Amino acid sequence: AQSVAQPEDQVNVAEGNPLTVKCTYSVSGNPYLFWYVQYPNRGLQFLLKYITGDNLVKGSYGFEAEFNKSQTSFHLKKPSALVSDSALYFCAVREGADKLIFGTGTRLQVFP
Amino acid sequence: DAGITQSPRHKVTETGTPVTLRCHQTENHRYMYWYRQDPGHGLRLIHYSYGVKDTDKGEVSDGYSVSRSKTEDFLLTLESATSSQTSVYFCAISESETGANVLTFGAGSRLTVL
Repeated sequence: AQSVAQPEDQVNVAEGNPLTVKCTYSVSGNPYLFWYVQYPNRGLQFLLKYITGDNLVKGSYGFEAEFNKSQTSFHLKKPSALVSDSALYFCAVREGADKLIFGTGTRLQVFP
Repeated sequence: DAGITQSPRHKVTETGTPVTLRCHQTENHRYMYWYRQDPGHGLRLIHYSYGVKDTDKGEVSDGYSVSRSKTEDFLLTLESATSSQTSVYFCAISESETGANVLTFGAGSRLTVL
């Protein structure tokens, strides 16, 4: 079965500093990987995805993610964090053709 | 954007009672999903549907059933609710007609089982 792991429950970063939210994956074959964000009391929103091609994927709100096949990682990054980026972030992988399997989530706290 | 409506948004019920959550979409997307969100577990797939009357189990399907008699509606039923089913339930649709891809989520239904 495909799976993703988010090793950090929480990431703290100061506003203006770069941020990284980590995700590693375990899949057979080529992975379809996704990042979603959840703001308080809301559903999840799509940020970006990797299916094939360039290892650096750009997404919404200035976020990007780097696909690293040798390290089986798909870390989410942003060059300069904003307080408004504070939210819960989920990594996900496609299993088969029909399902997305999500990680346990990482809470990002950006301090002013 | 696909419109997804979940109802009810909040429900408190007692152990042993049946509960049905409804997910309604305004477009004719083929794939619909039910997830539950719990602290420490992230989102876990309960059931999904790939067409009218076509459904399949996810990771945590025990104690849940689903039905899809119309393209726009996907119902999640707890036949006899238990306290372990206290959770926030999210419905989602895939905007791809060939499987799971970018999912659009509803606002969630918070269920408390006393």
